Amino acid sequence: DSGVTQTPKHLITATGQRVTLRCSPRSGDLSVYWYQQSLDQGLQFLIQYYNGEERAKGNILERFSAQQFPDLHSELNLSSLELGDSALYFCASSVPLAGGPNTGELFFGEGSRLTVL
Amino acid sequence: SQQGEEDPQALSIQEGENATMNCSYKTSINNLQWYRQNSGRGLVHLILIRSNEREKHSGRLRVTLDTSKKSSSLLITASRAADTASYFCATAVKAAGNKLTFGGGTRVLVKP
Repeated sequence: DSGVTQTPKHLITATGQRVTLRCSPRSGDLSVYWYQQSLDQGLQFLIQYYNGEERAKGNILERFSAQQFPDLHSELNLSSLELGDSALYFCASSVPLAGGPNTGELFFGEGSRLTVL
Repeated sequence: SQQGEEDPQALSIQEGENATMNCSYKTSINNLQWYRQNSGRGLVHLILIRSNEREKHSGRLRVTLDTSKKSSSLLITASRAADTASYFCATAVKAAGNKLTFGGGTRVLVKP
């Protein structure tokens, strides 16, 4: 058990809909990362938050948004869903390396499997 | 193309044999990490090697890093059926604020 909790584990929805994925990081971890894993694109970095602020952005679509709340949990919102959005969405958290929010070891949740029909 | 690319994409070995997989990357890194993923599960961190390190060991795992060749290798010695998984390298790229970028992974099958 990594200590990172993601809900829901599975989600089936229709095209055009909107879903929210939730992540609770390990106790004490300030950084939260979101990744998308699909068969054709591999593991793609979406976005990172550090202590409530957006720190880095990757290949995140404009239809997707995220935030990190004061209690450090994070939510990833996916809207106007398309078939191609079907994927495993992972959240990870980390303790930053000394000197700043640099990337050390990441602790991954078990993922939220999204199926868009 | 991705920052980190693993080779081979797939590997099939007998229990007890060693498994070696390689990772190549393009730009200067702060550190390189290896992760393991069992089918459909979350990734599990195996080992982190900093850019000023050349080799690290953890149990049956040995990781090397050659920054001049921009490559790393992961060796699993005396493999077990339970080592069957996908293995990913991930690079923390200095120029990209050290965000962690994953390669496509190597699928390892250890046959009993």
